[in-house]
Amino acid sequence: DGGITQSPKYLFRKEGQNVTLSCEQNLNHDAMYWYRQDPGQGLRLIYYSQIVNDFQKGDIAEGYSVSREKKESFPLTVTSAQKNPTAFYLCASYTGFGHYGYTFGSGTRLTVV
Amino acid sequence: RKEVEQDPGPFNVPEGATVAFNCTYSNSASQSFFWYRQDCRKEPKLLMSVYSSGNEDGRFTAQLNRASQYISLLIRDSKLSDSATYLCAMSAGSNFGNEKLTFGTGTRLTIIP
Repeated sequence: DGGITQSPKYLFRKEGQNVTLSCEQNLNHDAMYWYRQDPGQGLRLIYYSQIVNDFQKGDIAEGYSVSREKKESFPLTVTSAQKNPTAFYLCASYTGFGHYGYTFGSGTRLTVV
Repeated sequence: RKEVEQDPGPFNVPEGATVAFNCTYSNSASQSFFWYRQDCRKEPKLLMSVYSSGNEDGRFTAQLNRASQYISLLIRDSKLSDSATYLCAMSAGSNFGNEKLTFGTGTRLTIIP
């Protein structure tokens, strides 16, 4: 079955550590996105990529980095510069046709310990 | 003014009732509109796309009012399984194929037996 796989489901980070969240899709979608959701909040865009080897900053890119070396993969690194990283991270991909919306992965819950 | 605004609720509605949510937006260039459903601690899932002519899917009806810049979701004969948070989303611009969605903060709905 086609879909988006995020791993790990839960992740714990110590202060000062970098951690990388994985996002893989086999939907053959060109565009991929990373969002962050805080409790009781909507989704805020961190980074997005519309094509391999290219990506753009979203609204809250500071303290995060991404790469897009393959169409299927869009990993997100949460760096030590991100001062409040505890959140629910959602990866999505998009087919490129307006009325089909995004497909989301099941998310990664990151907690700073 | 926020780009997308939703009443956060909660809406506590008896089973079988009809409930409606609105979502207002400020970007008049938005072309694609969606309603997503998000269950507790899960990823958002596409419920409906919203078209200018309005669209219906079973008990769910979505409408778009471009003049007043809002979309609406109507749920008839509500079921216990409709309890969830409903997120509206819309494209950041008019460039199909380069969709960057902006999400509302969500409206929490609880159906009471």
